[in-house]
Amino acid sequence: GNSVTQMEGPVTLSEEAFLTINCTYTATGYPSLFWYVQYPGEGLQLLLKATKADDKGSNKGFEATYRKETTSFHLEKGSVQVSDSAVYFCALWMDSSYKLIFGSGTRLLVRP
Amino acid sequence: DVKVTQSSRYLVKRTGEKVFLECVQDMDHENMFWYRQDPGLGLRLIYFSYDVKMKEKGDIPEGYSVSREKKERFSLILESASTNQTSMYLCASSLHKEGGAFDYGYTFGSGTRLTVV
Repeated sequence: GNSVTQMEGPVTLSEEAFLTINCTYTATGYPSLFWYVQYPGEGLQLLLKATKADDKGSNKGFEATYRKETTSFHLEKGSVQVSDSAVYFCALWMDSSYKLIFGSGTRLLVRP
Repeated sequence: DVKVTQSSRYLVKRTGEKVFLECVQDMDHENMFWYRQDPGLGLRLIYFSYDVKMKEKGDIPEGYSVSREKKERFSLILESASTNQTSMYLCASSLHKEGGAFDYGYTFGSGTRLTVV
């Protein structure tokens, strides 16, 4: 079946460090891919998306590129801030389904 | 600017009680979803609805039911609450488009943290 695998957290970084959170997927077909972010005490918010191979989604300094050859959608940011501390979820969507399939989430903690 | 509202942020209920979790959206979305979020397990889909009075089981429907009498409201019901239903419950909605609604993503509520004692 379709699934998403994320790196386990927590990921702890100092402010201005480079961030990578790995995400790989298994899907029969060509999914759309998403990153959602959940700040403390809040629901999830869409961070960025990519709908086909080689697309790059970007938002708020975060980027992720849809790599079909490696079935990956890794999240990157060049310089993290304390305010980026949150839980990040990778997700996929198939056209044949109404529902998003989420990874288990990766907690990011950024220290001043 | 609140778009998906869950009626309670925190709820404490006793084992065996019937529990209602309410979710209301004001965006005229067709699709609505209930997820539960547990550490290490991510988000798991309980039920979803793609139209009024329509419902579909998700991945973990056991012990739950849902009601969608109006387009804007989607209720999750725990028929007889148990301690293993202690969790964070997230409601979401999305716009239906031919082939899916991914262009708009999901809009989530802030969640209800339910504790069953």
